Amino acid sequence: QVQLVQSGTEVKKPGASVKVSCRASGYAFNRYGISWVRQAPGQGLEWMGWIGTHNGETHYAQKIQGRVTMTTDTSTSTAYMELRSLTSDDTAVYYCARETWGTVDFWGQGTQVTVSS
Amino acid sequence: DVVMTQSPVSLPVTLGQPASISCRSSQNLVYTDGNTYLNWFQQRPGQSPRRLIYKVSNRDSGVPDRFSGSGSGTDFTLKISRVEAEDVGVYYCMQAKNWPWTFGQGTKVEIK
Repeated sequence: QVQLVQSGTEVKKPGASVKVSCRASGYAFNRYGISWVRQAPGQGLEWMGWIGTHNGETHYAQKIQGRVTMTTDTSTSTAYMELRSLTSDDTAVYYCARETWGTVDFWGQGTQVTVSS
Repeated sequence: DVVMTQSPVSLPVTLGQPASISCRSSQNLVYTDGNTYLNWFQQRPGQSPRRLIYKVSNRDSGVPDRFSGSGSGTDFTLKISRVEAEDVGVYYCMQAKNWPWTFGQGTKVEIK
């Protein structure tokens, strides 16, 4: 069965960076993209970006462009999302999700990232 | 960016009664391949989102048939024919026609 398993809770200080991982199993990793979505406390879903696992092509939300890098390691079927220069506004649950043809069908369990001094 | 606007923001419903959520996009969501990339997700309290509907009206396997999606162009609707207790949560529409993909602000369904 398709599974996306994310790394654990992170607590960071303002100005630091965080790198969240998303390990996929149960399907051919390089046949689907990975999208990243975040959700601030009590807020809605915010699409952050997408990476094509077969060629590394990326699309990022303008709001975080320049601070985010999405990568993949096809040898371990793992996707990564690194966010730099963290502020309290980046406190959120971060989700990865499998992308295919204009949709996302399976989601990870979420990773809590807290930015606090 | 494509702006997705959902209404209502909050939807109290009596068990067994129907519910309807509207989603409007600021641009036509028909892609050059003829498909309309409009999705619906359910997020139960404390859980990851779950896809219910893709390409306007295609229901995921395992999703009860009381959920249905409809619409075209810029106006879309998610309907629940008879609300059950397990349907409590927040529902989001999302467009995937243009980068960046964008979500509606969410509709919270609760039981009266």
